Amino acid sequence: DIQMTQSPSSLSASVGDRVTISCRTSQNINTYLNWYQQRPGKAPKLLIYGASSLQSGVPSRFSGSGSGTDFTLTISSLQPEDFATYSCQQSYSLPYTFGQGTMLEI
Amino acid sequence: QVQLQESGPGLVKPSQTLSLTCTVPGGYISSGGFYWNWIRQHPGKGLEWIGYIYYSGSTYYNPSLKSRVSISVETSQDQFSLKLSSVTAADTAVYYCARDRRASGPHFDYWGQGILVTVSS
Repeated sequence: DIQMTQSPSSLSASVGDRVTISCRTSQNINTYLNWYQQRPGKAPKLLIYGASSLQSGVPSRFSGSGSGTDFTLTISSLQPEDFATYSCQQSYSLPYTFGQGTMLEI
Repeated sequence: QVQLQESGPGLVKPSQTLSLTCTVPGGYISSGGFYWNWIRQHPGKGLEWIGYIYYSGSTYYNPSLKSRVSISVETSQDQFSLKLSSVTAADTAVYYCARDRRASGPHFDYWGQGILVTVSS
């Protein structure tokens, strides 16, 4: 299985800050990397697919980059509703695997 | 707007079989082009992919669960189902169903709200 390592595991920030979350994979996955946002008690929500494609309806302050084994999710200017947990997921090979999550706190 | 809704018992006894159904109104399952998945999340933990099914009935399961998992589809009912046998407390989790869209790589674009299943006597 492809191992996913996110950093940091938690992050404190303020409204208006620019934040980046990293995801590293145990082998080359090209750009088969997706990012999800999950608020407490809710289902995950797709933000970014294919490493850098913005899902329809997701604000443009979210962006993704990277290829191979190193990927980044960037939020350009944090809004109050962005405080949540963010997870990466590889879709390069089965079984699909997820990172352990990064909790973004105020 | 695609909607997915999980249903089933919230409490299952150890050694029994967990059975959940995901309903997707609107004929989306039988239209093809998407894979239909089960994913779970242990309390306070990350997400774990369980497996998927295509409308034709073809399946793929996570090898870590393969010996205990079965996913089936009933296109006429707009439903697909999960069975997990011989459950233990380690199977206590929130179970989600999700659609897997294949564009720029597979990704889960629609999710159910999730259902908490507790394994306890």
